Amino acid sequence: GESVGLHLPTLSVQEGDNSIINCAYSNSASDYFIWYKQESGKGPQFIIDIRSNMDKRQGQRVTVLLNKTVKHLSLQIAATQPGDSAVYFCADFPGFQKLVFGTGTRLLVSP
Amino acid sequence: EAGVAQSPRYKIIEKRQSVAFWCNPISGHATLYWYQQILGQGPKLLIQFQNNGVVDDSQLPKDRFSAERLKGVDSTLKIQPAKLEDSAVYLCASPSPDSGANVLTFGAGSRLTVL
Repeated sequence: GESVGLHLPTLSVQEGDNSIINCAYSNSASDYFIWYKQESGKGPQFIIDIRSNMDKRQGQRVTVLLNKTVKHLSLQIAATQPGDSAVYFCADFPGFQKLVFGTGTRLLVSP
Repeated sequence: EAGVAQSPRYKIIEKRQSVAFWCNPISGHATLYWYQQILGQGPKLLIQFQNNGVVDDSQLPKDRFSAERLKGVDSTLKIQPAKLEDSAVYLCASPSPDSGANVLTFGAGSRLTVL
């Protein structure tokens, strides 16, 4: 069945460091992935997406890497700031029908 | 752009009582989703609407949960009778007009506590 899971529940980093959040998926047919950021008391907010025909995509301070061979994707945040503190979810959107979320990783950024 | 509006933001009820949540999605969008997010977990899809019709309600506990979308605009999600395990945040979402149908914009959610 479909599942999208994260390796670490909590990641603590110092301000200015780079953060890497990992995600594993099990559905070989998955062709589209999205990273969401969720701050306390708010709904998930879109960060960046990637299609299965790509292995890397960059945004502003964020990069997503996709390794289809091992069914793994990661979110890299450069120069992490206190405002980046949140829970990060990877989500699978098979067939663009139903968004399937993983458990989430909490990112804690200390000054 | 207009966001996804949800109300109430917080609700506390006792088990076996009923509750209703309301959502007004991004203006003009035909697709609307309700997600349930239990504390410490990712959101889980409950129901997907396309205009007035239900596209997917396979994970909706139909013995107690119901949802409707009259006139293809706003939507209500009802729980009756509520159980302790229904304590969660209920999120409404619709596709972002700027990013295409693949990207969902979520409301702030309605947090339900069942005592």
